[in-house]
Amino acid sequence: KAGVTQTPRYLIKTRGQQVTLSCSPISGHRSVSWYQQTPGQGLQFLFEYFSETQRNKGNFPGRFSGRQFSNSRSEMNVSTLELGDSALYLCASSPFDRDHYGYTFGSGTRLTVV
Amino acid sequence: SQELEQSPQSLIVQEGKNLTINCTSSKTLYGLYWYKQKYGEGLIFLMMLQKGGEEKSHEKITAKLDEKKQQSSLHITASQPSHAGIYLCGAGKGGSEKLVFGKGTKLTVNP
Repeated sequence: KAGVTQTPRYLIKTRGQQVTLSCSPISGHRSVSWYQQTPGQGLQFLFEYFSETQRNKGNFPGRFSGRQFSNSRSEMNVSTLELGDSALYLCASSPFDRDHYGYTFGSGTRLTVV
Repeated sequence: SQELEQSPQSLIVQEGKNLTINCTSSKTLYGLYWYKQKYGEGLIFLMMLQKGGEEKSHEKITAKLDEKKQQSSLHITASQPSHAGIYLCGAGKGGSEKLVFGKGTKLTVNP
């Protein structure tokens, strides 16, 4: 069974640009969560979607947004990129609504902002 | 909001040695998760603990939950180079409460 797929794996962007990251959950999983991981702050929660509805949102500026499609695939978008947005972005899928049990993580997208 | 503190931040051990990683919560623990991460990769689920006093083992890794102390420990017996990586604890009771993580413990096992 295929795992959580994140694309692209690596990305280099320039300050001020915008970026869209994609996450395809495990088949049958309807919940997708996004996390940002940096050496200084560790893993920080961005948002959580279930059946196309945002269930929870972390403390990030409005430049960070996300959405989920009817097939449960999710995208997150970061506009007006800043150097501090350089991080590993991880998504996790789960078959459950707002239940952390069953979380499976993807391999992440490494974003570098120059 | 809940915060998790892991100790130590990094650990270097000789192959064959035992080691323990701790995770302490600022609030009552309802569900505690242990994950392992290879550098730059995703998180691999190891174990979940829910009840005070609960202990689970998988191969040479044992995790315990001390609910009163709001703490969990991960113990590795007879460490191997394959155990190397970053170990993260996560906690959250679900619902509107997000899953939060500690900053991780970097384990190096020297052959």
